Amino acid sequence: AQSVTQLDSHVSVSEGTPVLLRCNYSSSYSPSLFWYVQHPNKGLQLLLKYTSAATLVKGINGFEAEFKKSETSFHLTKPSAHMSDAAEYFCVVRGNSGGGADGLTFGKGTHLIIQP
Amino acid sequence: NAGVTQTPKFRILKIGQSMTLQCTQDMNHNYMYWYRQDPGMGLKLIYYSVGAGITDKGEVPNGYNVSRSTTEDFPLRLELAAPSQTSVYFCASSTGTGVYGYTFGSGTRLTVV
Repeated sequence: AQSVTQLDSHVSVSEGTPVLLRCNYSSSYSPSLFWYVQHPNKGLQLLLKYTSAATLVKGINGFEAEFKKSETSFHLTKPSAHMSDAAEYFCVVRGNSGGGADGLTFGKGTHLIIQP
Repeated sequence: NAGVTQTPKFRILKIGQSMTLQCTQDMNHNYMYWYRQDPGMGLKLIYYSVGAGITDKGEVPNGYNVSRSTTEDFPLRLELAAPSQTSVYFCASSTGTGVYGYTFGSGTRLTVV
């Protein structure tokens, strides 16, 4: 079994300041972890993924995330927020059980608000 | 490449009506998935397929059916629409399990009245 907890339902930052979106996970297997972004009325876009290689993962649009096994966390960060970053962000875990049911388990999402 | 294409983008159904949500991918992915997204929630898995001719239930399959006659197509069928099926539906595909990410379609917004 696997689960994902996004610790904040809403995060508000000023343009140009750092962004931190928090995610904790649990998984019975060595997990693959993802961050997806969803802009209003759009589909989901993959930001980055962790697949047991480097623990610091760099993604698109200046985002990065650090996998910390001891803390079971995979927080998403960006040094400087841009207005275009305003969106819904989903932390996602995918099990590596080897079976066909390796579907994604989604967190409930964090709504990122960027103040001008 | 078109990626994952879903049709229609929007649909309003009356209670008890039926419809099929279409999904096709041109990436030759073996794995395909249907998710629903309710307001303020993440996505929940309805059905998935690991290849042509093989389908299985996900977390919330009740009220839905699927088929996978070809690698490219994975339609989702609603037989007797209910208000609880009002949601945004996403189709996705993947090359495999575990380390691979998904490619998502742009979604179908369904309202049942």
